[in-house]
Amino acid sequence: NAGVTQTPKFRVLKTGQSMTLLCAQDMNHEYMYWYRQDPGMGLRLIHYSVGEGTTAKGEVPDGYNVSRLKKQNFLLGLESAAPSQTSVYFCASSSARRLHFGNGTRLTVT
Amino acid sequence: DQQVKQNSPSLSVQEGRISILNCDYTNSMFDYFLWYKKYPAEGPTFLISISSIKDKNEDGRFTVFLNKSAKHLSLHIVPSQPGDSAVYFCAASIPEKLVFGKGTKLTVNP
Repeated sequence: NAGVTQTPKFRVLKTGQSMTLLCAQDMNHEYMYWYRQDPGMGLRLIHYSVGEGTTAKGEVPDGYNVSRLKKQNFLLGLESAAPSQTSVYFCASSSARRLHFGNGTRLTVT
Repeated sequence: DQQVKQNSPSLSVQEGRISILNCDYTNSMFDYFLWYKKYPAEGPTFLISISSIKDKNEDGRFTVFLNKSAKHLSLHIVPSQPGDSAVYFCAASIPEKLVFGKGTKLTVNP
């Protein structure tokens, strides 16, 4: 039982490049989330999904897109990366209002 | 507008003493509150929670207190151990979403 798995663990992008972060959960949870963590800013919600085929904006959605084509996967896309998107990204899934987090993806945009 | 506030960025205590971490919230619609613990290079892990219909919840060395009239909650760790050194995030929930504070870095000195 792996829980929540994020790939990749690290990535360096140049400004303007695109990439997709993958999150997979094996707990059959309906809800999934993407957060970013920046120094002094805590965890901020980017997008979330309440079930397969659904997505919704969080508090910092600009510059990101998401898709939830399968219940177990939640993808976060950056179409044109900017230095302001340098951050650690955490995916989570939830059951009974308790979030289970992956170990994060550290993204650097130069 | 920050809905969940942890006003102390850091806290240092001696091993064996009590650690008290504080959290304030502004949105009276929050009905469930959680504390998460985070070690470097790992995802946050759930620690303890409390429903808004309660004012106290205990789990071993960890106790969370909720004062709804003051919109304030606190986490008590007794006795504190060096392994408790981590960043602690307070989170408040409405259905579908969790809002996090900026975190408090706890250091427990041997």
